Amino acid sequence: NAGVMQNPRHLVRRRGQEARLRCSPVKGHSHVYWYRQLPEEGLKFMVYLQKENIIDESGMPKERFSAEFPKEGPSILRIQQVVRGDSAAYFCASSPPRNNEQFFGPGTRLTVL
Amino acid sequence: QKEVEQNSGPLSVPEGAIASLNCTYSDRGSQSFFWYRQYSGKSPELIMSIYSNGDKEDGRFTAQLNKASQYVSLLIRDSQPSDSATYLCAVKGPAGNTPLVFGKGTRLSVIA
Repeated sequence: NAGVMQNPRHLVRRRGQEARLRCSPVKGHSHVYWYRQLPEEGLKFMVYLQKENIIDESGMPKERFSAEFPKEGPSILRIQQVVRGDSAAYFCASSPPRNNEQFFGPGTRLTVL
Repeated sequence: QKEVEQNSGPLSVPEGAIASLNCTYSDRGSQSFFWYRQYSGKSPELIMSIYSNGDKEDGRFTAQLNKASQYVSLLIRDSQPSDSATYLCAVKGPAGNTPLVFGKGTRLSVIA
């Protein structure tokens, strides 16, 4: 029974490059959430998606960040023109329909040089 | 602004003792409450969920909820060194699948 999968686990980018983070939810889970955790900070919600729809993106910066969850394939969090302040752990969580519990993937640790 | 507050710790308890972790939340409409455990460098792991006032027990863990006081707690009985981690309190609003609001976490250290 595979859990939430994320890749890559570690990603290093130089300032100005693009970062692309992928998340495959638990099989049968149709809801995906992205959270960011800065060093010594709590988890902050970024975006909530269902298949082909963004439901809530209130936590995502308006510029440079985008997310998608296509009909086929993983959810993608894309960060364009990365800056040092984007260095953080990015976690994806999934939940089944009509269920409150969210299960987290192992995270992608982004380092911007 | 929905907020979840936790003492950052560290909370140090001797092995075998009861560890008590507390959490308060600001949104009175919150309906679902969760405790996650996060080891250093790892992802959050769901250990307890509670939806109704009162106590819920699962093994060595007991979650307690008091909606009138907007207070959630987690008790860990017979604490073990392997329980040393950061414990995150998370709260969810009333509408179906919605994002979690997390506290910053309490760091627990169980001393052998």
